[in-house]
Amino acid sequence: DVKVTQSSRYLVKRTGEKVFLECVQDMDHENMFWYRQDPGLGLRLIYFSYDVKMKEKGDIPEGYSVSREKKERFSLILESASTNQTSMYLCASSLGTGDSQPQHFGDGTRLSIL
Amino acid sequence: AQSVAQPEDQVNVAEGNPLTVKCTYSVSGNPYLFWYVQYPNRGLQFLLKYITGDNLVKGSYGFEAEFNKSQTSFHLKKPSALVSDSALYFCAVRQNTGGFKTIFGAGTRLFVKA
Repeated sequence: DVKVTQSSRYLVKRTGEKVFLECVQDMDHENMFWYRQDPGLGLRLIYFSYDVKMKEKGDIPEGYSVSREKKERFSLILESASTNQTSMYLCASSLGTGDSQPQHFGDGTRLSIL
Repeated sequence: AQSVAQPEDQVNVAEGNPLTVKCTYSVSGNPYLFWYVQYPNRGLQFLLKYITGDNLVKGSYGFEAEFNKSQTSFHLKKPSALVSDSALYFCAVRQNTGGFKTIFGAGTRLFVKA
């Protein structure tokens, strides 16, 4: 089974801090994704990556950046955390490009910015 | 532009009764369609997908979904609901002409009462 591991389940940070969320997958998937999940809004794509060192903006990239130095690891960075970035963050991976394979999700990081 | 609509925020059903969770979509060309389930404090888990072929797709845990091209719908169904089916369900769509972006619906919360 594919395993997507997010480094923290719960995280509390302060406004203005630089925050790192880490995600690792163990199935050699090319694609990796970061979403945020908010009630009533479903999942919104922040960034995705289809290869090492490659990244593309999703629907809501403002205030975020990403890093993919190794195939298995995809990091989400909040450059200067703000209270409106309090949310559930989900990492996902999938095999191949533009194919019909489903995404595999981690258990999420619930981030609170105070 | 791609979009997914889940018209019901919540569906209530008695254990043993059939359940339906509705989904309609809009996408250019032919779609890949997915259903995911999310249990409390967990990431999304893949249930089933439609790629092509038979309009009735069977998936995990006894769930199935019916693809209707003329109505652009992909409703999730189960003949006999279990209390353990209570969760948040997401419909998702991706264009099958390539690309990485999957659009998720806002989610429908299913309550199954004993």
